[in-house]
Amino acid sequence: DAGVTQSPTHLIKTRGQHVTLRCSPISGHKSVSWYQQVLGQGPQFIFQYYEKEERGRGNFPDRFSARQFPNYSSELNVNALLLGDSALYLCASSTQLTQGPDQPQHFGDGTRLSIL
Amino acid sequence: GQNIDQPTEMTATEGAIVQINCTYQTSGFNGLFWYQQHAGEAPTFLSYNVLDGLEEKGRFSSFLSRSKGYSYLLLKELQMKDSASYLCAVGSGYALNFGKGTSLLVTP
Repeated sequence: DAGVTQSPTHLIKTRGQHVTLRCSPISGHKSVSWYQQVLGQGPQFIFQYYEKEERGRGNFPDRFSARQFPNYSSELNVNALLLGDSALYLCASSTQLTQGPDQPQHFGDGTRLSIL
Repeated sequence: GQNIDQPTEMTATEGAIVQINCTYQTSGFNGLFWYQQHAGEAPTFLSYNVLDGLEEKGRFSSFLSRSKGYSYLLLKELQMKDSASYLCAVGSGYALNFGKGTSLLVTP
């Protein structure tokens, strides 16, 4: 079975632009979460979607938004990009709304976003 | 709020045992997770604790004390491929709250 897939793998943007990142969860997984990982830091929670509804949001500005589609894939949108948005954006999927030993979050390889 | 602390770097010798500690203070708790992340790759799930005590899974074991807000990951019979970042994460509500990660270097 395919794992979590994210596209694109790398992206270069300039300040003020917007970006859309895409994620396809593991087949059968209804929960998708987005994380931002700055170099040398742990991932920081941005959003969780379950059954196409936003279930949780981290401490990120309104420039960040996301949605989940009927096939459970997801998009993360970031507007008015800042230099500080340069990071690895990780998508994770799981079967359930909350985590547990039988339903850990499985991560994709991420999209590395560079802002010039 | 969430506060999760783990050492920044550790070095150990191939074949040895290493213990990576994690302390946490969180407003919610539904489990303590450990993930491994090799450079440029996705984090991969290693272990989960929700009750106090030790969980063993092959060469990896994880311990939790909820009253002390403390966990550790124990890696036995270290191999060169174990060189990676080890992330401690607390499940809280819908989110995983991660520490900054411990970079482990295994030397010959």
